[in-house]
Amino acid sequence: DGGITQSPKYLFRKEGQNVTLSCEQNLNHDAMYWYRQDPGQGLRLIYYSQIVNDFQKGDIAEGYSVSREKKESFPLTVTSAQKNPTAFYLCASSIERGFGGYTFGSGTRLTVV
Amino acid sequence: ILNVEQSPQSLHVQEGDSTNFTCSFPSSNFYALHWYRWETAKSPEALFVMTLNGDEKKKGRISATLNTKEGYSYLYIKGSQPEDSATYLCAFTGGSYIPTFGRGTSLIVHP
Repeated sequence: DGGITQSPKYLFRKEGQNVTLSCEQNLNHDAMYWYRQDPGQGLRLIYYSQIVNDFQKGDIAEGYSVSREKKESFPLTVTSAQKNPTAFYLCASSIERGFGGYTFGSGTRLTVV
Repeated sequence: ILNVEQSPQSLHVQEGDSTNFTCSFPSSNFYALHWYRWETAKSPEALFVMTLNGDEKKKGRISATLNTKEGYSYLYIKGSQPEDSATYLCAFTGGSYIPTFGRGTSLIVHP
């Protein structure tokens, strides 16, 4: 079955460490996105990518980095520069930017310890 | 950053009640409005995509309407069931073609 796989489901990070969240899709979607959710807040866009080797900053990109070397993969690195990284992270994809609905992964909950 | 508001923030109803909630969005540069259902411990699931003023969509007991001129969409659930308990998200897509999500309405249906 086609879908999006995020891993790990739970991640604990020590302060000062970089961590990478994985997002893989087998839907042949061009566009991929990373969102962050905090309690009581909506989904906020971190980065998005429309095609391989291209990505754009979203509303809250500071302290994060991404790559899009393959169509299927869009990993997110939470760097030590991100001041408040504890949150729930969702990856999504769509056929193309703005077209149709998103398919979402099941999310990664990151906790800084 | 675009302003997409959902109300109410949370809602408790009894099984069998009908309910509705609202998504408000900018009335200019409209491209699409999406509704998603997000059950606990699952991924958000697409319910409807609406693109034209006056659109009405229906999926079983759930339906949605769209008014792009005044910038709102209603989601209706007829005869709520406990399995309808979830957070309902709307997402507005404008000229940037990147959706902006509301904070969601959390619905709890009591048996």
